[in-house]
Amino acid sequence: ETGVTQTPRHLVMGMTNKKSLKCEQHLGHNAMYWYKQSAKKPLELMFVYSLEERVENNSVPSRFSPECPNSSHLFLHLHTLQPEDSALYLCASSRSGGTGDTQYFGPGTRLTVL
Amino acid sequence: EDKVVQSPLSLVVHEGDTVTLNCSYEVTNFRSLLWYKQEKKAPTFLFMLTSSGIEKKSGRLSSILDNKELFSILNITATQTGDSAVYLCAVDGGETSGSRLTFGEGTQLTVNP
Repeated sequence: ETGVTQTPRHLVMGMTNKKSLKCEQHLGHNAMYWYKQSAKKPLELMFVYSLEERVENNSVPSRFSPECPNSSHLFLHLHTLQPEDSALYLCASSRSGGTGDTQYFGPGTRLTVL
Repeated sequence: EDKVVQSPLSLVVHEGDTVTLNCSYEVTNFRSLLWYKQEKKAPTFLFMLTSSGIEKKSGRLSSILDNKELFSILNITATQTGDSAVYLCAVDGGETSGSRLTFGEGTQLTVNP
């Protein structure tokens, strides 16, 4: 257990559905991250929040919409996804600031878009 | 743009063998290099390296960083079937607002009995 939880662990959705992924960290960290991991590709950074403000949006399509209501919670709202969006979505957190912060990952949500 | 390259991409060994995994990087604002082990789910943290030439060790695993030649190696001695996983190398090129990890593709290690 890394102190980062994600729900749901598995999600199957149609292209017209709207769903949300949830991430919660119990580590007292101030920065949270969404990553996408597709088959046979490196982890891709999607969004970064620091002190509840979005500080990075890595050219992610608008059908992915993040929300960070406080420093412990992070959401990824999904709408009108495409089959190529099927992947493992990982949330991570770090203390933020200073040098050498380690990011701690949640277990991920396995998303399948039909 | 930060870049991390791992080699080999895939490796198959027998139990008891020693393996060396390689990671080279290019990063504008180097803060640290991290190694993770990923089995079926999320990556689990192994090592964080910030200083060149200092070996980090945990059981049968060890790692060292050369920040002049811009690479790191991860050694696993006396491998076991439970070591089978993808090993990810990541470089933190972030700034004060938070870390920014750039990951390599990973090395898929398979240890056969």
